[in-house]
Amino acid sequence: AQSVTQLDSQVPVFEEAPVELRCNYSSSVSVYLFWYVQYPNQGLQLLLKYLSGSTLVKGINGFEAEFNKSQTSFHLRKPSVHISDTAEYFCAVSPLVGAGSYQLTFGKGTKLSVIP
Amino acid sequence: KAGVTQTPRYLIKTRGQQVTLSCSPISGHRSVSWYQQTPGQGLQFLFEYFSETQRNKGNFPGRFSGRQFSNSRSEMNVSTLELGDSALYLCASRSDRVTNEKLFFGSGTQLSVL
Repeated sequence: AQSVTQLDSQVPVFEEAPVELRCNYSSSVSVYLFWYVQYPNQGLQLLLKYLSGSTLVKGINGFEAEFNKSQTSFHLRKPSVHISDTAEYFCAVSPLVGAGSYQLTFGKGTKLSVIP
Repeated sequence: KAGVTQTPRYLIKTRGQQVTLSCSPISGHRSVSWYQQTPGQGLQFLFEYFSETQRNKGNFPGRFSGRQFSNSRSEMNVSTLELGDSALYLCASRSDRVTNEKLFFGSGTQLSVL
């Protein structure tokens, strides 16, 4: 089984400041890692994913994330946030193989509030 | 290309009733998954269908069921509704049962049980 912990439930940050949203995971098998964003009254949109290869992954809207296998972390970063980044962000994992490989296990989410 | 379409957008039911939610995947997508989102439990996997067959099921009671039709459209049914079933139900589709394939989510159906 897998579990995902998002260490901060809410993160306020001033516009144009950098931000880091933290995600740790636990799994007995190798996993794929994802970050999704959810704007109010909308579904989820994929920001980026780590499958293999380079541990630094670049996604849409200027976001990037770094996979750290030893610390089982996959933190999301953006060097300069905009008001439009205000949303809820979810970290998720899925096993590479096995019966659960077609389902995502999500963290509880981090609400990012960008302050003008 | 149209996105994932979920109907209805909002639904109000009373305890004990049953409800059916509908999901139309992106054209050509054969895999449809359902997730329940609540403030307390977050996002939880319900089940996944591929080519009309349920291939994965989450840890939900038997009151939650689903099916997929030959055109890949999917329905989710909840019988004997409880207050705790109030949630946003999200449907997601992808083109094939490849684990790293991108999932496309619909905007969800907001179910309120009174």
